[in-house]
Amino acid sequence: NAGVTQTPKFQVLKTGQSMTLQCAQDMNHEYMSWYRQDPGMGLRLIHYSVGAGITDQGEVPNGYNVSRSTTEDFPLRLLSAAPSQTSVYFCASSYSPSGGGEQFFGPGTRLTVL
Amino acid sequence: KNEVEQSPQNLTAQEGEFITINCSYSVGISALHWLQQHPGGGIVSLFMLSSGKKKHGRLIATINIQEKHSSLHITASHPRDSAVYICAVTGNQFYFGTGTSLTVIP
Repeated sequence: NAGVTQTPKFQVLKTGQSMTLQCAQDMNHEYMSWYRQDPGMGLRLIHYSVGAGITDQGEVPNGYNVSRSTTEDFPLRLLSAAPSQTSVYFCASSYSPSGGGEQFFGPGTRLTVL
Repeated sequence: KNEVEQSPQNLTAQEGEFITINCSYSVGISALHWLQQHPGGGIVSLFMLSSGKKKHGRLIATINIQEKHSSLHITASHPRDSAVYICAVTGNQFYFGTGTSLTVIP
């Protein structure tokens, strides 16, 4: 099993550009989520999904879109990049958050917006 | 308002020392997680526990549900233990602490 994979690992964007961060998992997990990690702030939830076709907003959803057409994939779209979106982004999956299932994290994407 | 609070924020220890990192939470939970993140690295799960105590090698995690408190202990610390340790809890969603940055000096 590859676990949770993310691409790209690094990305530099100019303000106003759009891009998609890819996330895939091969563990048949229903729950997938996107976090951003900023210095001194810990992990903050952007969007999450409890299954294919179901997504919801987390703590910091503005400027991001998600979709979940399959169990395996959960891409994160930046609509119009802003310098405030410079961060490290982690995708994670879990069998069930309410059941206390272990979370598996991708390797992260380091994004810089100029 | 932080649902999960960790202490200390930063910790420096000499190799071989016994280390304790604390985590307090304010929400109802079904499980508590301890995660490890090496500099520039990904995040890995060390422990998931809902009661009592778990041990893995030199790492021990305990939880007191009544007091809403957990501790992560590292015995005989080693420079390779240098990392950020993150406490997270599972309620209706995952809540994360801001992490404890540990540096173990040879």
